[in-house]
Amino acid sequence: GQNIDQPTEMTATEGAIVQINCTYQTSGFNGLFWYQQHAGEAPTFLSYNVLDGLEEKGRFSSFLSRSKGYSYLLLKELQMKDSASYLCAVRDRNAGNMLTFGGGTRLMVKP
Amino acid sequence: DVKVTQSSRYLVKRTGEKVFLECVQDMDHENMFWYRQDPGLGLRLIYFSYDVKMKEKGDIPEGYSVSREKKERFSLILESASTNQTSMYLCASSLSGHLGGGNTIYFGEGSWLTVV
Repeated sequence: GQNIDQPTEMTATEGAIVQINCTYQTSGFNGLFWYQQHAGEAPTFLSYNVLDGLEEKGRFSSFLSRSKGYSYLLLKELQMKDSASYLCAVRDRNAGNMLTFGGGTRLMVKP
Repeated sequence: DVKVTQSSRYLVKRTGEKVFLECVQDMDHENMFWYRQDPGLGLRLIYFSYDVKMKEKGDIPEGYSVSREKKERFSLILESASTNQTSMYLCASSLSGHLGGGNTIYFGEGSWLTVV
């Protein structure tokens, strides 16, 4: 089985930087995904990491450390529209390469 | 752009009713998935299909069945709806028969089902 943990809720201020952590335990790690989900909408793909290090995409970056079973999503220059849930998902080759999702982190951006 | 369309956004059904949730994707994806999403539990995989007429159980298949008669369409069936199946249901699809690499999955907008 897999355990994926991420904080339930976070609050940050517009213009600031926020880091959302995700820890996981899996027997056959084969990639980690981050998704954004606005209330009442479908999750949308943000980033993918399979090797250690930082992947940067504009205001969003995602980091992975496979040895620590740890990832974070970094959001810079926060905007009100970044208020959403952020889902961490891990792919396990020993589970047919299926994705297992964490419970999501609800981020509230305040003015 | 990939489009995954779920036929019903909001449904209210009675206990014991048979419920069909339909999903269509327009990108010729081989893989299709049904998840349910509940507060605090995240997304849980119910069933998936990697080809027409093929289906595999996910983590929580009990009380559900699926049908994939055409490549673009994947249906979720609740044979006899129960109140604990009140949830948001998400359909998704992805490229290729091989589920590795950076191939992400694309989600539909969700179907909110209330069973009373």
